[in-house]
Amino acid sequence: GAVVSQHPSWVICKSGTSVKIECRSLDFQATTMFWYRQFPKQSLMLMATSNEGSKATYEQGVEKDKFLINHASLTLSTLTVTSAHPEDSSFYICSVNRGAKDTQYFGPGTRLTVL
Amino acid sequence: DQQVKQNSPSLSVQEGRISILNCDYTNSMFDYFLWYKKYPAEGPTFLISISSIKDKNEDGRFTVFLNKSAKHLSLHIVPSQPGDSAVYFCAASSSNAGNMLTFGGGTRLMVKP
Repeated sequence: GAVVSQHPSWVICKSGTSVKIECRSLDFQATTMFWYRQFPKQSLMLMATSNEGSKATYEQGVEKDKFLINHASLTLSTLTVTSAHPEDSSFYICSVNRGAKDTQYFGPGTRLTVL
Repeated sequence: DQQVKQNSPSLSVQEGRISILNCDYTNSMFDYFLWYKKYPAEGPTFLISISSIKDKNEDGRFTVFLNKSAKHLSLHIVPSQPGDSAVYFCAASSSNAGNMLTFGGGTRLMVKP
């Protein structure tokens, strides 16, 4: 399967600051990457689809001005949580679609805690 | 409206026995189904998948069964091992939906030694 990394693995920040999370596809050039978030004991919720060279596609209810996505290259997508608030505290995971049909391979996730 | 549901939030099984995790879906456009395993604070790991043209797919200890008429799929793990203890998510996608996955709520499997 694809090797996907995320950085940082965890971050604690003060309310009002912005946090950037990187997702890298280490062995595969991905034109599309996906960003999910997971609240404790809940399922993975798709936030947006990151498209290399074009604007991201956001799911309903996800504020695109708050969660900025940049897919600058075929191996890197970034998610920036702007003006973070405690309710943004969550586990953020990216994935890359590769291989058979719609199989996605996930990064290790980034835990964001906003104080 | 949950399109993919895992009605059992948890399941406890004795080591060596069979674990059966269930998943139901409502969207008849789904044509590809996957199971992922997830440990706390880690990303999901792909386990096994099945296309809607099949009703069974087997990979080692893992077998996925698909019943399209009932819109139901299940993951069988046999024999279960303590290392299988994790949260299992089923996911579904449609060829018309650009590879987007819809996840169920997850089932926590505990395999007791």
